Amino acid sequence: DSGVTQTPKHLITATGQRVTLRCSPRSGDLSVYWYQQSLDQGLQFLIQYYNGEERAKGNILERFSAQQFPDLHSELNLSSLELGDSALYFCASSPIGSSSYEQYFGPGTRLTVT
Amino acid sequence: QQQVKQSPQSLIVQKGGISIINCAYENTAFDYFPWYQQFPGKGPALLIAIRPDVSEKKEGRFTISFNKSAKQFSLHIMDSQPGDSATYFCAARAGANNLFFGTGTRLTVIP
Repeated sequence: DSGVTQTPKHLITATGQRVTLRCSPRSGDLSVYWYQQSLDQGLQFLIQYYNGEERAKGNILERFSAQQFPDLHSELNLSSLELGDSALYFCASSPIGSSSYEQYFGPGTRLTVT
Repeated sequence: QQQVKQSPQSLIVQKGGISIINCAYENTAFDYFPWYQQFPGKGPALLIAIRPDVSEKKEGRFTISFNKSAKQFSLHIMDSQPGDSATYFCAARAGANNLFFGTGTRLTVIP
């Protein structure tokens, strides 16, 4: 158990809808990262937050947004969902200091868009 | 564009054999190269990592070999065991600690 929690575990929704994925980092970790894992693309970095502020952006679509709250939990919002958004979404956190090497991954949220 | 290229996509090894997974990169700004192990239904977990100023790092049965001039690095699993069956991802770190992952190698170790 990495100490990173994600909810929900599974989510099934229809095209055009909006969903929110939630992540709680390990106790004391200030950095949160979001990744998308699909069969053909592997693990794709989406976005990083550090202590409430956006630190880095990867291949995140404009339809997606994220935020990190004062209690350090993070939410990833996916809107106008398309079939191609079906994937596993992982959250990871890393220890104090944005230069830390290690990232600890949560169990993921499996999103199915029908 | 895949910043870290990983091969093979899948690998089948007999118990006791050596599993070798290869990765290559182009961006010389990468400064940290971890390997992650992922079991079905779980998130990836850090297995072993190396910095580019080191040519080899060994932890138990797992060894990373790093060739800076060729921009390649590989994971060797010695005495492979059925419990090693998992998907392995190489990765490279850019600034702000975001990782670029390879596409993964599904390893199956046959008893």
